Amino acid sequence: SQQGEEDPQALSIQEGENATMNCSYKTSINNLQWYRQNSGRGLVHLILIRSNEREKHSGRLRVTLDTSKKSSSLLITASRAADTASYFCATVAGTYKYIFGTGTRLKVLA
Amino acid sequence: DVKVTQSSRYLVKRTGEKVFLECVQDMDHENMFWYRQDPGLGLRLIYFSYDVKMKEKGDIPEGYSVSREKKERFSLILESASTNQTSMYLCASSLPLLGPASSYEQYFGPGTRLTVT
Repeated sequence: SQQGEEDPQALSIQEGENATMNCSYKTSINNLQWYRQNSGRGLVHLILIRSNEREKHSGRLRVTLDTSKKSSSLLITASRAADTASYFCATVAGTYKYIFGTGTRLKVLA
Repeated sequence: DVKVTQSSRYLVKRTGEKVFLECVQDMDHENMFWYRQDPGLGLRLIYFSYDVKMKEKGDIPEGYSVSREKKERFSLILESASTNQTSMYLCASSLPLLGPASSYEQYFGPGTRLTVT
């Protein structure tokens, strides 16, 4: 399968802690994105890291990319209850196709 | 803000029925997508359209068809619904991935949870 594998599948942490989730592919990674999905809703784009970048920050989000290992990680610092959601990575394949990861369910306990 | 709307949030249909799922976007995006989302499987692409009346099969097109008669509207059709099509269906739109006005960001609708009994 071309799908990205994400780990952990589920993560439960206390408010204020950091959350780290990882994504890996069997195919090469191209312009890796992370999306967030609140329960029963559509996905919302969080951050894009281009293939020639190794690290990117946006607010409390930090994303790393290792193209040689075909993997990426998303770190959410100082997590809040409102960060509770599922997080998906996605890479671009070809001229239109996005390949999504299987997702990490994050629960932040108040 | 880009807005992608889907015709229904929840839908219950019987086996064998023809089902129409509608998606409308208001940002003049060229690309539109239909995905289905199942637990543990992530999002899988059913069909993609890059222009009016143009479509490409995704990874799991069997049992589905699509229609794009207007740029802002992309419809997914289940010709004869079956229980294994019970799923969450997500529509998305985006600018082209290549060219001067390209972008990698996809904009998603809220999803339609379809149950086929």
